[in-house]
Amino acid sequence: SQTIHQWPATLVQPVGSPLSLECTVEGTSNPNLYWYRQAAGRGLQLLFYSVGIGQISSEVPQNLSASRPQDRQFILSSKKLLLSDSGFYLCAWGRRGEQYFGPGTRLTVT
Amino acid sequence: GQSLEQPSEVTAVEGAIVQINCTYQTSGFYGLSWYQQHDGGAPTFLSYNALDGLEETGRFSSFLSRSDSYGYLLLQELQMKDSASYFCAILRADSGYALNFGKGTSLLVTP
Repeated sequence: SQTIHQWPATLVQPVGSPLSLECTVEGTSNPNLYWYRQAAGRGLQLLFYSVGIGQISSEVPQNLSASRPQDRQFILSSKKLLLSDSGFYLCAWGRRGEQYFGPGTRLTVT
Repeated sequence: GQSLEQPSEVTAVEGAIVQINCTYQTSGFYGLSWYQQHDGGAPTFLSYNALDGLEETGRFSSFLSRSDSYGYLLLQELQMKDSASYFCAILRADSGYALNFGKGTSLLVTP
């Protein structure tokens, strides 16, 4: 069966600090991978998606970036965090209409 | 662009049936999905409609009508644990099978 891991679960970072969130998937090969962000009480906003190693499509032109260095590894990064980057970050893998989410990282930028 | 509209809140009684509607505007898509999210947790996949009609999975059913740009999630025999947020999402036709989510419907099940 497939499993998706995300870490850390919670993170408190000061404004201007860097960010690196990692996501790994087990039990499937060449998955489509996604990063979403959810603000408190809001819907999910698609940030990035990837259909293969080294391939990244960006949905939101912000100070965030993503990379996929290995088939089942997806990394979300920022060089300098903004207050508006606070939120619940979710990694997902999917096939067609079914997407499966990791446990998420709750980021607070102070 | 794409947009999805859902009611923000719905309240229903335990044991009852509730329908959560979703209307959308899009230039092209593969299908409509539904996800459940409990407070503090990650969304979990419930159902996917690639074709018009009804899909049934246990107590949950989902419906899609492309001609009406409309879908719904039907929850039967409501239980207290069904209190959660429910999101409809369009499976995009451009690339990557990415999903565009609605803002979600908060369902409260009361005794």
